[in-house]
Amino acid sequence: DADVTQTPRNRITKTGKRIMLECSQTKGHDRMYWYRQDPGLGLRLIYYSFDVKDINKGEISDGYSVSRQAQAKFSLSLESAIPNQTALYFCATSDFSGTGPGETQYFGPGTRLLVL
Amino acid sequence: KQEVTQIPAALSVPEGENLVLNCSFTDSAIYNLQWFRQDPGKGLTSLLLIQSSQREQTSGRLNASLDKSSGRSTLYIAASQPGDSATYLCAVRPAGSTLGRLYFGRGTQLTVWP
Repeated sequence: DADVTQTPRNRITKTGKRIMLECSQTKGHDRMYWYRQDPGLGLRLIYYSFDVKDINKGEISDGYSVSRQAQAKFSLSLESAIPNQTALYFCATSDFSGTGPGETQYFGPGTRLLVL
Repeated sequence: KQEVTQIPAALSVPEGENLVLNCSFTDSAIYNLQWFRQDPGKGLTSLLLIQSSQREQTSGRLNASLDKSSGRSTLYIAASQPGDSATYLCAVRPAGSTLGRLYFGRGTQLTVWP
């Protein structure tokens, strides 16, 4: 089974609708992240969470909100979807502890979102 | 803010060629640098991770080098195959930050034709 899972894998919605993208992990990591990827661009950070009680905005948080329901679950919501939120969304976890240069992030398979 | 640049943006080569993909970053204070592969519409597959104290890493036909002081990394692909066709992303993890996030380049889209 995959360590980081995302649901749904694909979603089509209409402008103005509220939608939620979900992420679950079995790696036991405290840190979780949401990125979006647009064609020809690198991944950009939307939100991140250090633990259940610590949630922070990333570079492009406007129009998004998140919920950390448990250590293993981190959800991303689009309160009122708009077409320029059409993108590929990735969830990631991290084993970062500040002590090891080999620490990195582990990515889910992505959710492809189309807002009409 | 760390910025990561990848050159070229796209590359199309015949099967069998040896390739070099380039990555540069603006702040040399990093924990590590990582190369990912992304197939169309798919997630990211980690290929190689080079720690800041290392100069290179190898996995099969892939070799990645790191020159931290000059802010550069290269990914060398030997004897390319059509199955290597994908987008290759470079990412760095800044040192001195508790965030633990990665900064990504825009990627190099590689096509290897038979």
